[in-house]
Amino acid sequence: DAGVTQSPTHLIKTRGQQVTLRCSPKSGHDTVSWYQQALGQEPQFIFQYYEEEERQRGNFPDRFSGHQFPNYSSELNVNALLLGDSALYLCASSFLPPRGPYNEQFFGPGTRLTVL
Amino acid sequence: GESVGLHLPTLSVQEGDNSIINCAYSNSASDYFIWYKQESGKGPQFIIDIRSNMDKRQGQRVTVLLNKTVKHLSLQIAATQPGDSAVYFCAENMRDDKIIFGKGTRLHILP
Repeated sequence: DAGVTQSPTHLIKTRGQQVTLRCSPKSGHDTVSWYQQALGQEPQFIFQYYEEEERQRGNFPDRFSGHQFPNYSSELNVNALLLGDSALYLCASSFLPPRGPYNEQFFGPGTRLTVL
Repeated sequence: GESVGLHLPTLSVQEGDNSIINCAYSNSASDYFIWYKQESGKGPQFIIDIRSNMDKRQGQRVTVLLNKTVKHLSLQIAATQPGDSAVYFCAENMRDDKIIFGKGTRLHILP
C-alpha cells in the first residue's frame, strides 16, 4: 500500500519564476492538504482540496493556488516566487468525511523548494 | 488566537532515560491534540493523539498528558533510544479539519 508521494524531491528556482509541485495521496484517500514548512519552523496550513475544489485555505496569498484531479492527486502552484517561499512543502492526505473520530492526515516526505 | 507552542527548542537526553517534551496551547476549540515525530528529510509522522476530554493516554513507550486547566500537553517517551532522535511537534486538530502545529522540539539522544 503506497503512502503519500510527492514530486519532485528537490527544486531550485529563481525569484519571479513559477513552480508546480505534485502530490499523490495514500491509496483510497480523497482529500489533500498542503503545508509549508520553513527551515526550523513548524508546518503552516496552506489549503485543502476535496472533490476537486478548494475546501478551505490558510493565511497565504493568491500566488499560492492548487488543483485536485479526478484521481485525487493534487498540484500546488506558486507564482512570482519570492526568496521567502523557500521551504519544505508537505502534502497530507486523508478521508472526508473522516472515518475515525477526526480527519487523520498522513504526510508525504515533502518537496524542498529553494528560491535564489 | 490559534497558536500551539513549545517551551524548549532542544532537549538532550541520555540513551535509556525517559524524555519529556512539553507544549502549551492557546486555542481550546479542538477535540483532539496530536503529537508528531519528524525525522530529517521526512514528513511528520503520527505518534499518538488524545481527545480533549481525556487527561492521559498511553501507547507503546509513549504517554501523552493533557491538562486543559493550564492548556498544557506533554509527551513522555520511555527508555529513549537513538531512533527517537527527531523533531517533535504537538498539534491541534481543528474542527474544520486543518492541523495547527506548535513550534517543535528537537530531541537529541546522548550515547
